[in-house]
Amino acid sequence: KNEVEQSPQNLTAQEGEFITINCSYSVGISALHWLQQHPGGGIVSLFMLSSGKKKHGRLIATINIQEKHSSLHITASHPRDSAVYICAAPNYGGSQGNLIFGKGTKLSVKP
Amino acid sequence: GAGVSQSPRYKVAKRGQDVALRCDPISGHVSLFWYQQALGQGPEFLTYFQNEAQLDKSGLPSDRFFAERPEGSVSTLKIQRTQQEDSAVYLCASSSGSRYQETQYFGPGTRLLVL
Repeated sequence: KNEVEQSPQNLTAQEGEFITINCSYSVGISALHWLQQHPGGGIVSLFMLSSGKKKHGRLIATINIQEKHSSLHITASHPRDSAVYICAAPNYGGSQGNLIFGKGTKLSVKP
Repeated sequence: GAGVSQSPRYKVAKRGQDVALRCDPISGHVSLFWYQQALGQGPEFLTYFQNEAQLDKSGLPSDRFFAERPEGSVSTLKIQRTQQEDSAVYLCASSSGSRYQETQYFGPGTRLLVL
């Protein structure tokens, strides 16, 4: 079974700062998911990536398959980016099995 | 278009009571997932449907938990004889393709409190 770890658990930043959230997993996978959960619970899928880098607006996700590690970056952070960011990977590696989620990184961006 | 909807949004139950949680996935979505999210934790997988077939129920924590999707669209998660440890947010997600490596669209969740 895969184990998914995220760091940091909590992160406070000033508006405009560059943010990095890390995710590591123990079993090789075909794709990793990054999700955003706002207060009140709604979860939005941000990225699903299997290699390299993906960019959407101020969000950038990278993955290193060999090192079993992914990062989510936020450039020019804004208070509206405050949320919990969660990574998820297939439970049994490759593309097999249900998703295993990290515990999330709670980001708070101060104006 | 309409996203994934769940009802009720909040449910308070007395210990021992049965509850039923409903999920309306995005129309036409093949796959449907149920997750349980405890406070301060990430979601944990409960069960997966492909159309009306329940292909994976390995995450259901006990035989008090039962899920169905009889016509391949709406799904119901039923919890019998609720216990305090069942208090959590129950999330439903759907995706257009089969299996797990598709973008999942989440509902707002049902927050269950068992007293």
